[in-house]
Amino acid sequence: DVVMTQSPDSLAVSLGERATINCKSSQSVLYSSNNKNYLAWYQQKPGQPPKLLVSWASTRESGVPDRFSGSGSGTDFTLTITSLQAEDVAVYYCQQYFTTPITFGPGTKVDIK
Amino acid sequence: QLQLQESGPGLVKPSETLSLICTVSGGSLSSSSYYWGWIRQSPGKGLEWIGSISDSGSTYYNSSLKSRLTISVDTSKNQFSLKLDSVTAADRSVYYCARHPCYCGNGVCYLRYFDLWGRGTLVTVSS
Repeated sequence: DVVMTQSPDSLAVSLGERATINCKSSQSVLYSSNNKNYLAWYQQKPGQPPKLLVSWASTRESGVPDRFSGSGSGTDFTLTITSLQAEDVAVYYCQQYFTTPITFGPGTKVDIK
Repeated sequence: QLQLQESGPGLVKPSETLSLICTVSGGSLSSSSYYWGWIRQSPGKGLEWIGSISDSGSTYYNSSLKSRLTISVDTSKNQFSLKLDSVTAADRSVYYCARHPCYCGNGVCYLRYFDLWGRGTLVTVSS
């Protein structure tokens, strides 16, 4: 199985400041024939299901604010929130869909400092 | 607007079978572009993909659960279901159903991210 790890486990950022979340996969999730990274990011608020933010490592979903951006390739990925808003307090998960079983990272909790 | 809703008992006895249904509303489950999946979330194990099914009944299961798992689909009711046998306390989780796009080629389907989720249902295992 592809093991997903995330760092940090949690972080607290001041409103308007940048939050950076890292995700690492135990093997590359880059498919060489189409040069796509099979990596998604989700946001989960308390009592809610995860919400898809980013697919293909860097493609923001429709309606997701542009302060959210995904980057990285191969085994190392980053989700950046450029100007943290109060409504961004949540747990963020990465997920690989390069191969089954589909696997998720353990999550990173983002709070306001 | 397509919505997914999980339903089923919130309490299951140890060694019995956990059964859940996901009802798709606001649209059809029948589409060759999507698989329909189950994911669970527990404090100890985070998010765990359980398995997925197409509208024609093709399935992909997580090998860690495969021996106890059955996922089926009923397109006439716009529903798909989960059965997990011989449950233990470790199966206590919030169970989500979700949709994921897929690409199929050469007889194999490649599952993608989950773009639409149900609200989830908590299942507790206790006598």
